[in-house]
Amino acid sequence: QVQLQESGPGLVKPSETLSLTCIVSGSSMRGFYWSWIRQSPEKGLEWLGYSYFSGSTKYNPSLQSRVTVSVDTSKNQFSLKLTSVTAADTAVYYCARRTDKGDWRLGNFFDHWGQGILVTVSS
Amino acid sequence: DIQMTQFPSSLSASVGDRVTITCRANESITNFLNWYQQKPGKAPTLVIYAAYSLQRGVPLRFSGSGSGTDFTLTIGSLQPEDFATYYCQQSHTSPPTFGGGTKVDVK
Repeated sequence: QVQLQESGPGLVKPSETLSLTCIVSGSSMRGFYWSWIRQSPEKGLEWLGYSYFSGSTKYNPSLQSRVTVSVDTSKNQFSLKLTSVTAADTAVYYCARRTDKGDWRLGNFFDHWGQGILVTVSS
Repeated sequence: DIQMTQFPSSLSASVGDRVTITCRANESITNFLNWYQQKPGKAPTLVIYAAYSLQRGVPLRFSGSGSGTDFTLTIGSLQPEDFATYYCQQSHTSPPTFGGGTKVDVK
């Protein structure tokens, strides 16, 4: 049974760096894209970026300069760093596994998610 | 970014009703459209991928259709556990984007 679990501080001060970790169990990290998605009432569900198991990354252009996703396959975990946070970054943050089906016609999808962690940006 | 629009934003239905939710993309995404269900305080769960493929473990009363820009999620006979918010998501072009959600509540 695949499980993902986010951890990190629930409160971050403005202008500081938000750092979260996602521990993966029940799944190899090999062959998957490990993603971060956040949800807020204002913006809804917003994809932040991913790291492939090999370490290659892709980010949402709207956050490109502030976001970093990295994978540590030896620990079966991956992490998110978001710099220079503001109140607009207050959201529930989810880690998720993106699966790409072997058949390209089936595209890709987020088939396993963590429970989510609320991060509030406030002084 | 590809914009995803869902309608209605909410609907009220009764157990046993047939429910249809629509999702529209502002450009063609062929069949690269996924549907998720989210219950309060929980993470979304995958229901349908690639427009009409049922995720393993999801009841057969859920079905998806559409291609290009217009898609639908249908619940054939609404069950008590189906009251939730449903989101569509396109995987055609990065960044992946989600619709605003359709909340299905009790009539």
